[in-house]
Amino acid sequence: NAGVTQTPKFRVLKTGQSMTLLCAQDMNHEYMYWYRQDPGMGLRLIHYSVGEGTTAKGEVPDGYNVSRLKKQNFLLGLESAAPSQTSVYFCASSYPDSVQPQHFGDGTRLSIL
Amino acid sequence: GQQVMQIPQYQHVQEGEDFTTYCNSSTTLSNIQWYKQRPGGHPVFLIQLVKSGEVKKQKRLTFQFGEAKKNSSLHITATQTTDVGTYFCAGIRDDKIIFGKGTRLHILP
Repeated sequence: NAGVTQTPKFRVLKTGQSMTLLCAQDMNHEYMYWYRQDPGMGLRLIHYSVGEGTTAKGEVPDGYNVSRLKKQNFLLGLESAAPSQTSVYFCASSYPDSVQPQHFGDGTRLSIL
Repeated sequence: GQQVMQIPQYQHVQEGEDFTTYCNSSTTLSNIQWYKQRPGGHPVFLIQLVKSGEVKKQKRLTFQFGEAKKNSSLHITATQTTDVGTYFCAGIRDDKIIFGKGTRLHILP
C-alpha cells in the first residue's frame, strides 16, 4: 500500500501562473482533505471532501479550487498563484467519520515568486 | 468560532528530561487526536482520546483528556533524540476538526 501520494513534491511558480496539485489514496477512504502549513501557523484546512463528487470549504479556501471526480483522487487548483500561497501543502484522507485518524501524504512544497 | 490553543510553541529540553505540551479548546470537544510531525516529514497519527478524564499511555508517552473535555496534554518521560519534532493536537466537534499550532520539541544532547 502506498497510502496517500502527493505530486509534485516541489514546485516553483511565478505570480499569476496556475497549477494543480494531485492527491491519490489507495485506502478506499471516503474523506479527503487539503491543508496548508506555514511556519508558526500549524495546519489550516483549505477544502475537504466527504465523498466522490462532493467538496466543501475549510478555514482558508480563498484562491483555491478543488475537485473529487474519483474517490481515490482529490485535486487542489491554484488558478492565479500569489506569493501569499507559498507554503507546504498536505493532503490527508480518512474513513467516513471525522473522528477517524487522518493519514497524510508527504506534502508538496510550493514557492510562488 | 472554535479555537484550539497549544502551549508552549517551542520547548528545548535536555535529553532525559521530561516534556509536556498542553492543548486547550474554547468549546467542549467530542474527542481529541494527537499527531507527531518529524522535521521535514508529515503529521502521523499517535492517539485519540474520547472519554472525559481518559488517560492513555504509549511507552514513554502519556495522554490525558480533561474532565470537561476542553483540554488535553501529552507528557513524554525521559525524552530521547527520536522524540524531536512537532506535536499537534486536533480537536473534533460537530464533525469538524481543528488543529492546534503545535509544539516544536528540540532535544539537547
